Amino acid sequence: DGGITQSPKYLFRKEGQNVTLSCEQNLNHDAMYWYRQDPGQGLRLIYYSQIVNDFQKGDIAEGYSVSREKKESFPLTVTSAQKNPTAFYLCASSREQFANTGELFFGEGSRLTVL
Amino acid sequence: AQSVAQPEDQVNVAEGNPLTVKCTYSVSGNPYLFWYVQYPNRGLQFLLKYITGDNLVKGSYGFEAEFNKSQTSFHLKKPSALVSDSALYFCAVRDPSAGRRALTFGSGTRLQVQP
Repeated sequence: DGGITQSPKYLFRKEGQNVTLSCEQNLNHDAMYWYRQDPGQGLRLIYYSQIVNDFQKGDIAEGYSVSREKKESFPLTVTSAQKNPTAFYLCASSREQFANTGELFFGEGSRLTVL
Repeated sequence: AQSVAQPEDQVNVAEGNPLTVKCTYSVSGNPYLFWYVQYPNRGLQFLLKYITGDNLVKGSYGFEAEFNKSQTSFHLKKPSALVSDSALYFCAVRDPSAGRRALTFGSGTRLQVQP
């Protein structure tokens, strides 16, 4: 089945450690996104990528890094510089650069808890 | 800048009654508007979108939304609520005339349908 796979579903991290969240899609979508979800704040955009080897910062990029070496993969690294990393992280994809006004398809999310 | 507001944190409705979940937006151009639903610890699922044309948009699971340009609103509606509709609902907007090619989400409204 086509879709977006995020892993791991649950992750625990000690303070000061970097952690990488995986996001893979087999929808042949060009654009991919990372959002962070906190209670009462909705979804906030971290990074997005319209095409391979290119990405842009969203609203809350500080303390995060991404790469887009392959069309189907868009991993997110939460670095030790992120002050409050405990959150639910959602990856999404869409067809070519919203040119056809397509909606986002979301993965099931990764819940990161910093101990 | 593009933004969206969901003024109600929670909406309670009895099963069988009509429901409305409110959304207002702010963009400099003509908006692309979306509604998504999220069940606990899951990703978001697309419900419907407005791009252009008829102001009344029909979507999945019997939901519809009405685009009102003068009131800058895009309220989600359903004629008869089901207990299974209980979930978290997000409105999202994109301004295609702006440089940012990503959706901005509201803070979410929790819908509780009582049997």
